[in-house]
Amino acid sequence: KAGVTQTPRYLIKTRGQQVTLSCSPISGHRSVSWYQQTPGQGLQFLFEYFSETQRNKGNFPGRFSGRQFSNSRSEMNVSTLELGDSALYLCASNLAGGLGEQFFGPGTRLTVL
Amino acid sequence: AQTVTQSQPEMSVQEAETVTLSCTYDTSESDYYLFWYKQPPSRQMILVIRQEAYKQQNATENRFSVNFQKAAKSFSLKISDSQLGDAAMYFCAYRSRGGSEKLVFGKGTKLTVNP
Repeated sequence: KAGVTQTPRYLIKTRGQQVTLSCSPISGHRSVSWYQQTPGQGLQFLFEYFSETQRNKGNFPGRFSGRQFSNSRSEMNVSTLELGDSALYLCASNLAGGLGEQFFGPGTRLTVL
Repeated sequence: AQTVTQSQPEMSVQEAETVTLSCTYDTSESDYYLFWYKQPPSRQMILVIRQEAYKQQNATENRFSVNFQKAAKSFSLKISDSQLGDAAMYFCAYRSRGGSEKLVFGKGTKLTVNP
């Protein structure tokens, strides 16, 4: 079974631009979560989607948004990029519920100049 | 809100020896899940071990075991017979028992394994 895939793997943007990151979960997984990882703040929860509905949202400004499609693929969008948005963005999927393991993708490394 | 604290930013161990990574957490919930994740330099995060709070028995996965002290809100990871491939960042994580899959992570411990 293919693992969680994230595209692109690396991205360089300038301040003020917007960016869209994509995540394809493991086949059959309906839950997708997004995390931001930075050296200073560590791993912080962005949002979680289940069956195309946002089930939970972290403490991030409205510039960060996401969605999930009917095939469970998910995208996150960051508008009006700031230097502080430079981070590794991780996506995780699982079957949802119980002690199910979350499977992480390799991440998208976003650099904002 | 739940918090997870890993007080050891870095640890080192000799190959074949044992090392223990510490984790404490704060929650008002009585039922939850705890996890240890490993993130090697390649960046792909993988699950090492998991524990259900209502289970008193400590989880074990091969060379990895935990010491779960619910009253003390402590969840340490013991790695026995350390191998070079164990070198990575280790994150302790908390998840509520309920609908959300949200993980609350500690800041991580960087483990170095010396040959």
